[in-house]
Amino acid sequence: GAVVSQHPSRVICKSGTSVKIECRSLDFQATTMFWYRQFPKKSLMLMATSNEGSKATYEQGVEKDKFLINHASLTLSTLTVTSAHPEDSSFYICSAGTSGRFQYFGPGTRLTVT
Amino acid sequence: AQSVTQLDSHVSVSEGTPVLLRCNYSSSYSPSLFWYVQHPNKGLQLLLKYTSAATLVKGINGFEAEFKKSETSFHLTKPSAHMSDAAEYFCVVSLGTGNQFYFGTGTSLTVIP
Repeated sequence: GAVVSQHPSRVICKSGTSVKIECRSLDFQATTMFWYRQFPKKSLMLMATSNEGSKATYEQGVEKDKFLINHASLTLSTLTVTSAHPEDSSFYICSAGTSGRFQYFGPGTRLTVT
Repeated sequence: AQSVTQLDSHVSVSEGTPVLLRCNYSSSYSPSLFWYVQHPNKGLQLLLKYTSAATLVKGINGFEAEFKKSETSFHLTKPSAHMSDAAEYFCVVSLGTGNQFYFGTGTSLTVIP
């Protein structure tokens, strides 16, 4: 089956610094990639949708200057949390979609901002 | 517009007894429906999916779900709960265009020994 990886799986950073999370589709080309955020004991919240080579579409309430998304190729999307603060601490999950009605989810990245 | 509602935020069952996790959806289009499981501090694992084929869908680990259009439901069931089934379960609906997924709020399943 299709595999999506995320790197790193866990990251701790200091307040004010930026951190980049990578999402890769390992054995298929993803026309669309999605970024979700999950708070403890909560459901997944869609942050943004990105198509290769074009700007990401952000959901209402998500700061695009805070959460920079780059989808440089059909197998790689990155999420950069800029000037991170403790309230940005969360579990970030990416997924990759193809032409069908399906998304393949990555294992998630646990971000802790101290 | 479409949305998905998981009717129970918590379900508790005894080991060996049946599991029922309820999900209702609303969609203007013919939906695709999914159930995912998430164990603590882990990613999502697909249990099963409905994509307009057979209405009774069998998934992994003995789970199954039935798509009932008249009731707009997609409830998840398992005949006999196992301790390892304790986790968070998400019902998800998807449209054909844009691949966008809409997540329910989740149901936390506790299995009592």
